Amino acid sequence: GEQVEQRPPHLSVREGDSAVITCTYTDPNSYYFFWYKQEPGASLQLLMKVFSSTEINEGQGFTVLLNKKDKRLSLNLTAAHPGDSAAYFCAVRGDTNAYKVIFGKGTHLHVLP
Amino acid sequence: GGIITQTPKFLIGQEGQKLTLKCQQNFNHDTMYWYRQDSGKGLRLIYYSITENDLQKGDLSEGYDASREKKSSFSLTVTSAQKNEMAVFLCASSPPGSQNTLYFGAGTRLSVL
Repeated sequence: GEQVEQRPPHLSVREGDSAVITCTYTDPNSYYFFWYKQEPGASLQLLMKVFSSTEINEGQGFTVLLNKKDKRLSLNLTAAHPGDSAAYFCAVRGDTNAYKVIFGKGTHLHVLP
Repeated sequence: GGIITQTPKFLIGQEGQKLTLKCQQNFNHDTMYWYRQDSGKGLRLIYYSITENDLQKGDLSEGYDASREKKSSFSLTVTSAQKNEMAVFLCASSPPGSQNTLYFGAGTRLSVL
């Protein structure tokens, strides 16, 4: 079945620096991709979702890049600030089972002031 | 807007005990999920339910039962708690046409003595 590898597990950056989190997946039929953010003590909230036809999506302070050829999904926080300190999870949904969403193991990001 | 309410927030059990976790959502979503979150292991799917009275096993269903008697509620039972087990159980729901975008509850933190 689908496997999702997320790197790095922990990341510390200084305020104003960029932070990049990457996920690779195995199922070439994967079609929908998600990034969730979990702030300390809180539950997961959707940050962004991207589809197979989307390569780059820009949000507020971050960019998501999908490379289907390499089966790679990345989240790039530009100019990180302390409020970005959280756990980030990528998630992948294949096309064969519409209800199974497979999560990466998460990245704990710490933004130092 | 809606909310997913999980009860209890904290659950302390004894080894071998049967424990039930409850989840209610007022989004009127059809699909509901139970995930287990362990430190360093990400989220793993235990059970999901496409509609009322439907149950589907996830990758981690052994040792658990689930029940979806109403559209708005989805409960999870740990059939025999394991000693020193510690995890957070997350309930989620998903609206139709959202490509399985997940809306999460705040979680139930389980500790087994």
